[in-house]
Amino acid sequence: AQSVTQLDSHVSVSEGTPVLLRCNYSSSYSPSLFWYVQHPNKGLQLLLKYTSAATLVKGINGFEAEFKKSETSFHLTKPSAHMSDAAEYFCVVSDLAYNFNKFYFGSGTKLNVKP
Amino acid sequence: DTAVSQTPKYLVTQMGNDKSIKCEQNLGHDTMYWYKQDSKKFLKIMFSYNNKELIINETVPNRFSPKSPDKAHLNLHINSLELGDSAVYFCASSQDPLTYEQYFGPGTRLTVT
Repeated sequence: AQSVTQLDSHVSVSEGTPVLLRCNYSSSYSPSLFWYVQHPNKGLQLLLKYTSAATLVKGINGFEAEFKKSETSFHLTKPSAHMSDAAEYFCVVSDLAYNFNKFYFGSGTKLNVKP
Repeated sequence: DTAVSQTPKYLVTQMGNDKSIKCEQNLGHDTMYWYKQDSKKFLKIMFSYNNKELIINETVPNRFSPKSPDKAHLNLHINSLELGDSAVYFCASSQDPLTYEQYFGPGTRLTVT
């Protein structure tokens, strides 16, 4: 069965400092993994995705994530936080069962950026 | 042009009523989804349609009935609304095959009083 664990429900950083949002997954298959961001009262926007190509994935707004199979992790990082990064972040694993794209969402990490 | 749109954006109604939420995507995708996001922000899939055919049907009360008149539309009808149905409902779409990302609509905030 597929599942995703986001290890921190809240992360607070100062503007200009690095961001680390942690995600561990379990999957019976070779997973596809995604990070989505949700700004307050908005829909979800794709930040980046891993689909069995390069293990270091670069996304929008300076975010990147590294797929580590041995650790079953897909942590999201950014070298320098910006105030506009304050949002909820969701790690997602895709279930290849049934040959259709079924997403399993983590519980979310709320990122707070202090001035 | 909005890729995935939902109407209405907000819906306030009383217990026992029947309501519908509409979703349209102009991306030419084959697959559409409905998700429910609860008050703790947890997102759970409810249904998925591929080319108007139901392919995912999670454990959802049968008061919820999706309808897909064509592959660009997936509507959600809810009968006999209950307080626990209050949530934000997101529509999404994706293109086959399997690993394509899903594109989400802006959400519909349903409040049942």
